[in-house]
Amino acid sequence: GDSVTQMEGPVTLSEEAFLTINCTYTATGYPSLFWYVQYPGEGLQLLLKATKADDKGSNKGFEATYRKETTSFHLEKGSVQVSDSAVYFCALSDRGGSEKLVFGKGTKLTVNP
Amino acid sequence: DTEVTQTPKHLVMGMTNKKSLKCEQHMGHRAMYWYKQKAKKPPELMFVYSYEKLSINESVPSRFSPECPNSSLLNLHLHALQPEDSALYLCASSQLSVKGAEAFFGQGTRLTVV
Repeated sequence: GDSVTQMEGPVTLSEEAFLTINCTYTATGYPSLFWYVQYPGEGLQLLLKATKADDKGSNKGFEATYRKETTSFHLEKGSVQVSDSAVYFCALSDRGGSEKLVFGKGTKLTVNP
Repeated sequence: DTEVTQTPKHLVMGMTNKKSLKCEQHMGHRAMYWYKQKAKKPPELMFVYSYEKLSINESVPSRFSPECPNSSLLNLHLHALQPEDSALYLCASSQLSVKGAEAFFGQGTRLTVV
């Protein structure tokens, strides 16, 4: 079945550091890919998405590019802030009509001042 | 309006109680979901409703009973829960699309079973 593998962390960075969180996927079709963020005590928020190969999703300074050849969707941000401290989940949704989201295990990011 | 609203935000219930979690969305989405999330884990899918009909039940125990009264509302009825059912319960909704399901999540209900 479909699956998502992401680096589990935790990841600890200083403010203004560069962030990369790796995500790779396995899917039989051509999935849509997502990054969700969960701040402490809250639900999940969609951070960005990409629906086809070579698409770049971006939001709030975060970016991720859908790489079909490497089956990857790595999350990057050039300069993190303390307010970016959260858990980040990579996820996919089968384009074949399934309503299911498949999540990675999540990566906890802590940004120190 | 891009919100999914869940009530209550917190719930403490005994093992013999009956309670319900509620979820509402007004985005016109035709798929609605219940997820369970334990601490430091990703959300686990419990149920999916498509066009107000139950389409996926991920082998959830019968002490959890979902209900979709209309296209905007989703309930989760709880009865005779166990302490291990304590978790964050998340509701989500999405458009049904061949491009894949981009889901919008509520803030969750933090459930404690005592």
